[in-house]
Amino acid sequence: AQSVTQLGSHVSVSEGALVLLRCNYSSSVPPYLFWYVQYPNQGLQLLLKYTSAATLVKGINGFEAEFKKSETSFHLTKPSAHMSDAAEYFCAVSERGYQKVTFGIGTKLQVIP
Amino acid sequence: EAGVTQFPSHSVIEKGQTVTLRCDPISGHDNLYWYRRVMGKEIKFLLHFVKESKQDESGMPNNRFLAERTGGTYSTLKVQPAELEDSGVYFCASSRTSGGFHGELFFGEGSRLTVL
Repeated sequence: AQSVTQLGSHVSVSEGALVLLRCNYSSSVPPYLFWYVQYPNQGLQLLLKYTSAATLVKGINGFEAEFKKSETSFHLTKPSAHMSDAAEYFCAVSERGYQKVTFGIGTKLQVIP
Repeated sequence: EAGVTQFPSHSVIEKGQTVTLRCDPISGHDNLYWYRRVMGKEIKFLLHFVKESKQDESGMPNNRFLAERTGGTYSTLKVQPAELEDSGVYFCASSRTSGGFHGELFFGEGSRLTVL
């Protein structure tokens, strides 16, 4: 069975500050890991994914995440928050060769001017 | 390329009534998924179609939920009779098959169901 745990359902940062959203996963086999983002009144869209190549993954809008097997973590970071980053972020995991994706509870990011 | 579309965007019904949600995936996407998010909870997998076949329906809550995908194109999710705990946002997503699955799901905006 696979699962993800997102620490912090709400995170607030000041504009220009570092964004750090935490995700830990559990998987019995090497996983695929993802971050999805949902902007208000929109569907979820893929921000970035780890599938087995480089452990540091770069995504859209300046976000990146690092896969750390020893810590079973896949934290999402962005050096400088922008007002447009305010959204809900979902960490997700799937097992290789299997198309079911399991999502975390989501973290709402608030960016304060 | 049109994205995943869902209808209705919001439905309010009484307990015991029936509701049918529709999803049109991206053209050419063989894989279609239904997910549900109850307020404050995680997005939970309901089921997965490959073309018209149910590949995995392990997440369907009970037999009040019926999903179909006739002809392998659009899909419907019927809830009959609806209960209060069925309230939530129902997301549909689709994905390609060719090239192997690497987790990119394309989501619709969701159908919000409120059962009173």
